Amino acid sequence: EVQLVESGGGLVQPGGSLRLSCAASGLIVSSNYMNWVRQAPGKGLDWVSVIYTGGSTYYADSVKGRFTISRDNSKNTLYLQMNSLRVEDTAIYFCARGTMAGLGYWGQGTLVTVSS
Amino acid sequence: QSVLTQPPSVSAAPGQRVTISCSGSSSNIGNNYVSWYQQLPGTAPKLLIYDNDKRPSGIPDRFSGSKSGTSATLGITGLQTGDEADYYCGTWDSSLSAGVFGGGTKVTVL
Repeated sequence: EVQLVESGGGLVQPGGSLRLSCAASGLIVSSNYMNWVRQAPGKGLDWVSVIYTGGSTYYADSVKGRFTISRDNSKNTLYLQMNSLRVEDTAIYFCARGTMAGLGYWGQGTLVTVSS
Repeated sequence: QSVLTQPPSVSAAPGQRVTISCSGSSSNIGNNYVSWYQQLPGTAPKLLIYDNDKRPSGIPDRFSGSKSGTSATLGITGLQTGDEADYYCGTWDSSLSAGVFGGGTKVTVL
């Protein structure tokens, strides 16, 4: 059974940093396209970033230059390093496996709150 | 403002059929596969349709997807109270080199 478990969310001040983790079981992170998708309170889904099996990465314009997606193959874990956080980055962050043709597995999400 | 356009809400009586449209452009829907997701309150999204019109294992055939040109459609037949949820379309945008979602559609069973 595939499980994705996010962690690392919390309250951070504007301009601060946070690193999210997504621990995977039942699948090999490095053998799959892995994404981060976020959802602001009461709003819709917002794609954030993807890392391909070959290591290529892509980002939404809203986070480019501030967020970095990566993975640790030895820990079978996906990460999202978030720097220069803004109030508008407040959201539940989900990790999801697949491409935009179909994100088949999702974690339960971790809440990031950016506030002073 | 989402790259993909969905109606904010649709509604119908139990047993009826609803369709949800998702409109885009040649850089996204027109040249990439479309997926659809169901999100019940307080839960993570769930994949309903992938590759425009395919259903993952366990998704009932009451749910269907189609694509024509730069638009896609999700259909739900035999509407049930358990289908009340938010529904999102998604695809890749080749010009943005980014994933994109529609703004979401709330389905209400009257």
